[in-house]
Amino acid sequence: EAEVAQSPRYKITEKSQAVAFWCDPISGHATLYWYRQILGQGPELLVQFQDESVVDDSQLPKDRFSAERLKGVDSTLKIQPAELGDSAMYLCASSSYRGPETQYFGPGTRLLVL
Amino acid sequence: GENVEQHPSTLSVQEGDSAVIKCTYSDSASNYFPWYKQELGKRPQLIIDIRSNVGEKKDQRIAVTLNKTAKHFSLHITETQPEDSAVYFCAASIKGNNRLAFGKGNQVVVIP
Repeated sequence: EAEVAQSPRYKITEKSQAVAFWCDPISGHATLYWYRQILGQGPELLVQFQDESVVDDSQLPKDRFSAERLKGVDSTLKIQPAELGDSAMYLCASSSYRGPETQYFGPGTRLLVL
Repeated sequence: GENVEQHPSTLSVQEGDSAVIKCTYSDSASNYFPWYKQELGKRPQLIIDIRSNVGEKKDQRIAVTLNKTAKHFSLHITETQPEDSAVYFCAASIKGNNRLAFGKGNQVVVIP
């Protein structure tokens, strides 16, 4: 069964450093989502892509976060500079539909900022 | 608003008993409501979902009921087993049904 892949699984960095996360969605899935999940909370959407275009980035802190999906397949989420409050799980999900239905999540990247 | 709230935050049940988790939402235009199960250290996995044109859906020991008038939907787990212990997240479609808003999650503990 196809799954969403993410790397790295864990990342420890110091504040003010740059970090990058990678996501490879299920083959053929046009919609890709990046979520942030703080411990004890539900996932919060950061950015949504439809193919290579950003559909919704209203919750993305654009002063330090950026995301791209250049060829409409895999995606990279970057934080520069990282802050202590960015420590969280970063989840990627994909869907074959334009809407929100049936999202499949990756294993996540757990980020710790020291 | 885009609020999705879950109750209770933690639920402990004896193995074999039933567990019910309730979720409320505020966007009357929401029409898709999934439930995800997340075991410790693992990815969220979709376990069941329901659309607004249906009042109830069942899959083996899991069922979801939807009350659109009251804007709430519930997850029902019957004959609970230890492997049902996890955090369960509800979600509702928002913003023209183009994205999901998630609740904070319910910790379900099944006591053997």
